[in-house]
Amino acid sequence: GDSVTQMEGPVTLSEEAFLTINCTYTATGYPSLFWYVQYPGEGLQLLLKATKADDKGSNKGFEATYRKETTSFHLEKGSVQVSDSAVYFCALRIPFGNEKLTFGTGTRLTIIP
Amino acid sequence: DAMVIQNPRYQVTQFGKPVTLSCSQTLNHNVMYWYQQKSSQAPKLLFHYYDKDFNNEADTPDNFQSRRPNTSFCFLDIRSPGLGDAAMYLCATSRELANNEQFFGPGTRLTVL
Repeated sequence: GDSVTQMEGPVTLSEEAFLTINCTYTATGYPSLFWYVQYPGEGLQLLLKATKADDKGSNKGFEATYRKETTSFHLEKGSVQVSDSAVYFCALRIPFGNEKLTFGTGTRLTIIP
Repeated sequence: DAMVIQNPRYQVTQFGKPVTLSCSQTLNHNVMYWYQQKSSQAPKLLFHYYDKDFNNEADTPDNFQSRRPNTSFCFLDIRSPGLGDAAMYLCATSRELANNEQFFGPGTRLTVL
């Protein structure tokens, strides 16, 4: 079945450090890929998405590129801030299939000043 | 602001005592979803409603039921909670099933004593 594997956390970085959170997927079709973020006490919010190979999703300084050859969608940010502390979820969905979101287990990120 | 609201945010129940979790939305979306997220695990879809049509995931236990009396509200009923049902329960909505962003509520954390 479809699945998402995420880098295990927690991840702790200093402010202004470079961030990478790895995500790889297994899917039977051609998935759309997503990163969701969950700030403390809040629901999941869509951070960025990509719907086909080589697409780059970007938002709030975060980027992720859909790499079909490596079945990956790694999240990156060049300079993290304390306000980026949250849990990050990678997810996929098969368009025009059952449309179900399949999530990874999440990576908790803590940024220290 | 249009949003997805979940009440209560924290719910404590006793083993075997029925419990109901509530979700409401002001987005006027057609689809409402319930996810279960156990500690350090990925959110797992339990079921969804498209308008009044109920769609159960194949591996959702019979102990979990749902009601959608109108567009705005959706309830999750756990008929006889077990210790293994302790989790965060997330409600989400989307305008349509296909290729539509899901908007999540903040979740209800359920404790079973």
